[in-house]
Order: sequence, then C-alpha cells, then structure tokens
Amino acid sequence: GQQVMQIPQYQHVQEGEDFTTYCNSSTTLSNIQWYKQRPGGHPVFLIQLVKSGEVKKQKRLTFQFGEAKKNSSLHITATQTTDVGTYFCAGVSGTYKYIFGTGTRLKVLA
Amino acid sequence: DTGVSQNPRHKITKRGQNVTFRCDPISEHNRLYWYRQTLGQGPEFLTYFQNEAQLEKSRLLSDRFSAERPKGSFSTLEIQRTEQGDSAMYLCASFAGGRSSYNEQFFGPGTRLTVL
Repeated sequence: GQQVMQIPQYQHVQEGEDFTTYCNSSTTLSNIQWYKQRPGGHPVFLIQLVKSGEVKKQKRLTFQFGEAKKNSSLHITATQTTDVGTYFCAGVSGTYKYIFGTGTRLKVLA
Repeated sequence: DTGVSQNPRHKITKRGQNVTFRCDPISEHNRLYWYRQTLGQGPEFLTYFQNEAQLEKSRLLSDRFSAERPKGSFSTLEIQRTEQGDSAMYLCASFAGGRSSYNEQFFGPGTRLTVL
C-alpha cells in the first residue's frame, strides 16, 4: 500500500538556524498537505500543494512539491521557539484517503 | 478551537469492553475522517464519510471497529471487545469538500483511549 516517509525523525536546532524536513511517497500524489502538531495538541493545517514543482511561501516557511509529485519539503528560515512541534506531510492519490507521514519533531533551543 | 468537537476527551476502559466516541464536525462540512494516532507516530487513516456515506475504510481496521454518520452530521466510532493495542488518541477531522481543491482538514481535540 501507499507509504509516506519523512526525514529526519528528529531535529534539534539553535534558535535562528534553518530547518528542513523532507517527505517521500511510494506513489504519485494528487496533492500533499502539511500540518503542524504542538506537543499535546492536534494537527493544524499549514498548506496544500497541488501542482508539479509548486513552491509556496508563508512568511518564514517555504513549501515545495516535487516535479514527479512524489516528494515534498518544508523549509523554515531562522527558526523561533514558536516553531517547536512535529511537522507532518499528508499525501493523497486518487481518492480522498490521506496518508500521513511519520513526522519530524523539531526542537528549537533558545 | 477549530469548531470540531469530540467526546469524551478521555476514556479508560477494561479489556473486552465496548467503547463509543462521538465527533461533531463543522456544520457545513460534508466530509469527515477518523484517524488513530499513537505516541511518536503520524495520524493513521481509519475511515472517511462523505455526508452519511462511508466511502472508504482502512484494511488495517479489524471488524471490531465500526463507524456511522447518520444524517450526515455527527459521527460515532465504536470499538468492540477492546484490546490493549487499541490504546491511542482517536482524532476526527472534517472539511468542506466539494469542487474546491482546498481541502483543509480541521481536526478535533481527540479522544484518548486507555485500555487496561
């Protein structure tokens, strides 16, 4: 079945450093979503990417969707302590069944 | 608060008992999802509804799990004969669906199940 993997599993950065998480799907995706989950909280939607090669920015966050629509990345510039949490990608192919990635847990050291 | 509510927030039960969880989605949303999340893992798809129709159910889900969405409004997830491996956070999410390609899922706070 469809699998979505993320790397790295954990990332510790100093405040002000950049951070990137990568998402890879075993199948071609119709679209991909990114979510952030704070410790003890529920996933919160960040963005959706639909087009091959699409790049979207939200302030310090940059999201990319690969040309083959099988991979994606999230890059945070100059991390802040408020960026702490686990970042998940969720891909869908064909139906509306979203498969979440394994997540990357980000810790930001002040 | 996303507008999606789940009850109860916590449930402790003994192995072998049945449990039922409820999700109230955002009222105008026609799609509703159930996920299960264990510590350190991403949400695992269980099933989803479009209005009252259950369109897909995970093959990983045993027959002990059943979900309903009568009248296309709230939904219930029932687990029969609970096992310790069922201990997890059960999340509900809804989104508007339709022609829009913007399918933001709004998650509820979840129901944490502990099976003793």
